[in-house]
Amino acid sequence: QQQVKQSPQSLIVQKGGISIINCAYENTAFDYFPWYQQFPGKGPALLIAIRPDVSEKKEGRFTISFNKSAKQFSLHIMDSQPGDSATYFCAALSGNTGKLIFGQGTTLQVKP
Amino acid sequence: GAVVSQHPSRVICKSGTSVKIECRSLDFQATTMFWYRQFPKQSLMLMATSNEGSKATYEQGVEKDKFLINHASLTLSTLTVTSAHPEDSSFYICSARGPLGDYGYTFGSGTRLTVV
Repeated sequence: QQQVKQSPQSLIVQKGGISIINCAYENTAFDYFPWYQQFPGKGPALLIAIRPDVSEKKEGRFTISFNKSAKQFSLHIMDSQPGDSATYFCAALSGNTGKLIFGQGTTLQVKP
Repeated sequence: GAVVSQHPSRVICKSGTSVKIECRSLDFQATTMFWYRQFPKQSLMLMATSNEGSKATYEQGVEKDKFLINHASLTLSTLTVTSAHPEDSSFYICSARGPLGDYGYTFGSGTRLTVV
């Protein structure tokens, strides 16, 4: 059972554009929603995260929008740069289990 | 910030041999560590959870006898792939839960295992 569904699988954006990646979850016990960035051959690195009591969180060019009623959250990358080209994973964590469940990943390519 | 060191970064072994991967938390104590497996162009799949001083908890479908996990100290967890076969070839990543609070998870840089 895929508990966190992520889309799109791949995304191509022009430099300066906005990249948007969406995720949906099923388990209402999840209480922490991080986004990770992964470059080839490296482990994932935390980009930004949000708790369900907040509808939006912004850090620099990265923004998470969270819709608790719809059980959806999304990552917006403003002014996308070629250096942002990587694979992005949304994830969800249940404080009860301590397990981090990942979405399927989105490969982002930002064209110069 | 919190750093998790994972070694080796790349290993090639012969079929039938065992390989040990180390995951160390630097400058913080990791009460819980997690091991993930990632196939090319796929997501991270949780294999097991290890708590210092106790037996690891494995996810459904993960062979306990093939993937031995030891978390003997608050800074070190090891994953041993026993009697490795080509289908065990994958990218293995550890994660530590530590000083950032209950919701702080730091990942290692991963280990590329190739079994020939």
